[in-house]
Amino acid sequence: QLDLVESGGGVVQPGRSLRLSCAASGSTFSSYGMHWVRQLPGKGLEWVAVIAYDSSSRYSAESVRGRFSISRDNSKNTLYLQMNSLRAEDTAVYYCAKETELNTMNYGLDIWGPGTVVTVSS
Amino acid sequence: DIQMTQSPSSVSASVGDRVTITCRASQGVRGWLAWYQHKAGRAPKLLIYATSTLQSGVPSRFSGSGSGTDFTLTISSLQPEDSAIYFCQQTNNFPITFGGGTKVEIK
Repeated sequence: QLDLVESGGGVVQPGRSLRLSCAASGSTFSSYGMHWVRQLPGKGLEWVAVIAYDSSSRYSAESVRGRFSISRDNSKNTLYLQMNSLRAEDTAVYYCAKETELNTMNYGLDIWGPGTVVTVSS
Repeated sequence: DIQMTQSPSSVSASVGDRVTITCRASQGVRGWLAWYQHKAGRAPKLLIYATSTLQSGVPSRFSGSGSGTDFTLTISSLQPEDSAIYFCQQTNNFPITFGGGTKVEIK
């Protein structure tokens, strides 16, 4: 069983940067694709980005492409989301989540962290 | 991007009722469809993936079906703890997209 905990959220001014981290406990982190998903205030879920288990592939939503970058360090069991040029509409709860099947990026997200809140405001 | 449309947006039913939620994709997703349950203040929970595969630990009253562009989540006998928002998600194409959600309430 893998547990995930996000960190790095907070209040940031528009145009600034923030890096989220997702620490995984357990030895299987390096075998699974990992995602970032966010929930905008009062709205539904929005998928943000995914990275393959070995970092060989990455994809992101159009709304964040060119501004956000997903990465991972399997030696540290940690997933990252580098968020640049932040906008008010990026205000959300950000979740990291693990793929349910080994070495995949598109089956389903079976383990989620509790989320970290990012508020972009001047 | 593939647009996912859920219906109804909300449903109110009694304990023991059968509840059906529909998800329609703007183009075929070849069975790459997942369902999640989301309760306020908690992380979403995966119920079903690949249209009909029940995630480990999920009660058997939850089931999924469908193909192509039309998919269904069924709760065969609604329980009090099923009160939540349910989301569908297509994983056939990137970007992955979610439906707008269906709120299930207990009468």
